[in-house]
Amino acid sequence: GQNIDQPTEMTATEGAIVQINCTYQTSGFNGLFWYQQHAGEAPTFLSYNVLDGLEEKGRFSSFLSRSKGYSYLLLKELQMKDSASYLCAVRAYGGSQGNLIFGKGTKLSVKP
Amino acid sequence: GAVVSQHPSRVICKSGTSVKIECRSLDFQATTMFWYRQFPKQSLMLMATSNEGSKATYEQGVEKDKFLINHASLTLSTLTVTSAHPEDSSFYICSARDPRQGEANYGYTFGSGTRLTVV
Repeated sequence: GQNIDQPTEMTATEGAIVQINCTYQTSGFNGLFWYQQHAGEAPTFLSYNVLDGLEEKGRFSSFLSRSKGYSYLLLKELQMKDSASYLCAVRAYGGSQGNLIFGKGTKLSVKP
Repeated sequence: GAVVSQHPSRVICKSGTSVKIECRSLDFQATTMFWYRQFPKQSLMLMATSNEGSKATYEQGVEKDKFLINHASLTLSTLTVTSAHPEDSSFYICSARDPRQGEANYGYTFGSGTRLTVV
């Protein structure tokens, strides 16, 4: 089966750094995505990893270890607007049928 | 960049009626679209994969006769919830694959979602 785990909720302070972990067990692997989602809105793309290592994009970084089935999203210099749910998603297969399998999301609350 | 328009954004309907949700790719042709459902505090669950010109592929547990999907053109896919019940109340989101995928989003563009409430 397909399984993606991430913490349900996290709280952090404005200006701090937070790391959101994601572990996955899927029948195949063709890339891991991180999305930000505000309540009642569609997910917004944050990052994509297909090879092991760290991808940095501004205040957001994402890390992947395929051998461990593990990824994390690192958010630096937290801002109040970063309060949202963060979704980890795996694409098990490539090609036109390569749908995304989502984790349940981590609700991040940023406090002053 | 790729844009997917989903309509309506919110709809309230009575039990037993049908509701149609549209998903359009505005600036690209999408041979494949995905329909997701999201219950409160839950993740996006794939309902079906919509393929232009052929029958949709439904995930296990999703009733194809209740959730009718039509992908008649390369820019439009529709999801019709038939004989809606209160338990169908949820957030429905479509996603389209842009064949010109690049680093912007690696090919997945989401619609803005439809909040369905069945009373």
